[in-house]
Amino acid sequence: DQQVKQNSPSLSVQEGRISILNCDYTNSMFDYFLWYKKYPAEGPTFLISISSIKDKNEDGRFTVFLNKSAKHLSLHIVPSQPGDSAVYFCAASNSGYALNFGKGTSLLVTP
Amino acid sequence: DAGVIQSPRHEVTEMGQEVTLRCKPISGHDYLFWYRQTMMRGLELLIYFNNNVPIDDSGMPEDRFSAKMPNASFSTLKIQPSEPRDSAVYFCASSLTGVTGELFFGEGSRLTVL
Repeated sequence: DQQVKQNSPSLSVQEGRISILNCDYTNSMFDYFLWYKKYPAEGPTFLISISSIKDKNEDGRFTVFLNKSAKHLSLHIVPSQPGDSAVYFCAASNSGYALNFGKGTSLLVTP
Repeated sequence: DAGVIQSPRHEVTEMGQEVTLRCKPISGHDYLFWYRQTMMRGLELLIYFNNNVPIDDSGMPEDRFSAKMPNASFSTLKIQPSEPRDSAVYFCASSLTGVTGELFFGEGSRLTVL
């Protein structure tokens, strides 16, 4: 029973354009959300997070938006670069419980 | 400081054999997690420890799976007997700030059970 869903397995974007990765969740108790990035043959690495008390968090080219009423969050990458090509995992948790991860979205940024 | 270290990186074994995966967390991290990645289920939590004590093992699929953390710098995940459906990448991660904080992952152990 997936509580965190990434419905797009893959996404292809041209270099310089915006990449938008989406994530939906079912558990209304989730209060902390994170995005992880994973290159082939490596472990996931933390990218950006957002608390449920906010609706936006920005870090350089990366911005995460949270829509609690829709139980939806998105990661925006602007501008996209070839080095951003990776698998992106959305994760969520509620206090005291370990992270639930989505299945991931594979992003390909083409020159 | 070295990151999370996992071994072996790759393991190919035959059905019925015992498999042991190893993990050394980042020094000072009190939380250690074992995750499994498959195409069908993505990253799923198997078990996590706090101060070497197993806290939540509800994700361990069956009795064939067991995990131990004998001390703060070492953990094992054992599968006995292994089955083809256990084929996956197994990640170990550690955290300083708890279950909801940033996790630092190892490079993973890719297991293939023939």
